[in-house]
Amino acid sequence: TQLLEQSPQFLSIQEGENLTVYCNSSSVFSSLQWYRQEPGEGPVLLVTVVTGGEVKKLKRLTFQFGDARKDSSLHITAAQTGDTGLYLCAGGYAGGTSYGKLTFGQGTILTVHP
Amino acid sequence: DAGVIQSPRHEVTEMGQEVTLRCKPISGHNSLFWYRQTMMRGLELLIYFNNNVPIDDSGMPEDRFSAKMPNASFSTLKIQPSEPRDSAVYFCASSSIYSRRDRGTDTQYFGPGTRLTVL
Repeated sequence: TQLLEQSPQFLSIQEGENLTVYCNSSSVFSSLQWYRQEPGEGPVLLVTVVTGGEVKKLKRLTFQFGDARKDSSLHITAAQTGDTGLYLCAGGYAGGTSYGKLTFGQGTILTVHP
Repeated sequence: DAGVIQSPRHEVTEMGQEVTLRCKPISGHNSLFWYRQTMMRGLELLIYFNNNVPIDDSGMPEDRFSAKMPNASFSTLKIQPSEPRDSAVYFCASSSIYSRRDRGTDTQYFGPGTRLTVL
């Protein structure tokens, strides 16, 4: 089983601070996705990265896929209280019997205080 | 457009009872996934279907769990008999496997989940 390890598990910061969440694996994935989940709801996709070294920006969020496609990071600049939630990384598979399947990390619970 | 629909949203039952969770995927999607989420184990894939056919059920905990997809618009996850350790939030998600086949980058659209409590 390919595992994704996220760190930190919990993050509590003040509004305006910057933060980075990491997602690491010993295995190679064909793609890496980041989801955000709010209480009482299902995860919602934020971004997909597919190329080693790829960097994508979504307003104050910056996502990076490692060169070897084994790790990824999510950086939030000037966090806002609306960023509070559970952040999940998920690795995807391009072929074989695992096609379409995602392996999720344990998640990072982010709390941004006003 | 309607998203993934799950029912019930909340279920409280007693140990030993049968529980049936229902899911209606997004119209046109041909992959369906059942997940279980707990604080201890995070989001775990239980089983997934492509074109109504079960592809990987290696995540199903034990024989008490079963899932069916009789047609493209409906799936059930059944637990019989239920136990307290089955208490969790169960999510159904759907995607279209033909959209980005070469990259394996399908977006999964999640339902709101069913919160199951087994007493």
